[in-house]
Parts: sequence; C-alpha cells; structure tokens
Amino acid sequence: GAVVSQHPSRVICKSGTSVKIECRSLDFQATTMFWYRQFPKQSLMLMATSNEGSKATYEQGVEKDKFLINHASLTLSTLTVTSAHPEDSSFYICSARTSGVQETQYFGPGTRLLVL
Amino acid sequence: DAKTTQPNSMESNEEEPVHLPCNHSTISGTDYIHWYRQLPSQGPEYVIHGLTSNVNNRMASLAIAEDRKSSTLILHRATLRDAAVYYCNQGAQKLVFGQGTRLTINP
Repeated sequence: GAVVSQHPSRVICKSGTSVKIECRSLDFQATTMFWYRQFPKQSLMLMATSNEGSKATYEQGVEKDKFLINHASLTLSTLTVTSAHPEDSSFYICSARTSGVQETQYFGPGTRLLVL
Repeated sequence: DAKTTQPNSMESNEEEPVHLPCNHSTISGTDYIHWYRQLPSQGPEYVIHGLTSNVNNRMASLAIAEDRKSSTLILHRATLRDAAVYYCNQGAQKLVFGQGTRLTINP
C-alpha cells in the first residue's frame, strides 16, 4: 500500500505556543489530504479536507483560524495548531487520497500532541 | 455523522475465521465500501475496499450484499495481531468514521 508519513510523532508544548505537524505522501502524489483528531477511547473525527493549491475545507465546529492548513505541494500538507491550549491535546492523524478509478485513503502514523 | 453501523465489539479465537458485519443502508450507487483497522496509538491501516463484487486480498475478504446495504469483512484465520478496532466506511470523497468494532482475539 501507499505510504504516508507524519512529523513529529509526538510533541509537547507550552500553552499559548503554536505547533506545526507535517504530513507527507512518500510514494504517490495526493491532491487531497485530510486531517483527523482522535481523543482517547473515541473514534477519529474529521477536521478538514486539504486541497493542493487551494483553501482547506473545514468541518462544522472546527475553527479555521486555530487549525491552519497549508497544502503547498502534491506530497505535503501541514497543520498548525495556533495558540495551543491543554484541550487541544490529542492524537492528530492525516491521510492522503490516491487518484484514479479506485480512490483510496492511506493514513499516517499519527502525531501525539500534549499541551501543558 | 457516520453513515455506517457496526457492533461495538466482537471476540474470536486464534486461527478461527472472523466475520465482521457492517450496515450502510444509505450508501449511494457510486460509493465504495472501505475497511480500515486501527491498533492503539497508530493511524488506521487500510484493509480492503470494494464496490459491488466480493473482493479478496492478502489481508481479508470483503463480501458485499447484493443490495449493497451491508457488507462483511472476513478474516479467514485470525491471529493475535488481528486484534484491533475495525472501521467500515462508505464513500470516497471523505471518510467519516463511526465507532467501529473492537475485535478481541483469544489465544
């Protein structure tokens, strides 16, 4: 299957700082990537759809000014959590969608964010 | 909201087959059915997907009902490493996850 990487795998930051998470499709080009958040014991929650060269589409209830998404190339999307607070602590997971007749999403390994 | 429904949990024994059901009664004619599984602290892993015909790969088989309103993921011989949360999704534009089925494999 296709490979998607994320960096960093885990990060600890102080409240009020910003954190950037990178998502890369390593062996395919992805015009569309997705960002999810997962709290303990819960399922994945879709935050936004990241489109290469255009603005991201955010799900209802997700603050676009707090979760900045940039998809500058066909292999890289970044999520920046601005002015992070303890309630933003979560497991952030990206996915990239292959193109073609049978589109499939492949997921990254996730980034564990802890805001102190 | 998730459009699929799955049992919260299932349990099976090692080396026995496992049949994981999923209902997707609102599926449209062009929506693919995708299955993923997730181990703790990892991203979801792609398992299999299909549209109308049954599908087989090295990981599992996918049996799709004729009306496409349900499907079953089949693990032919479960191992301890198959213990995970299994998610069934419909559609391809964006995947919305339900609660999935937590599969426990007994040695």
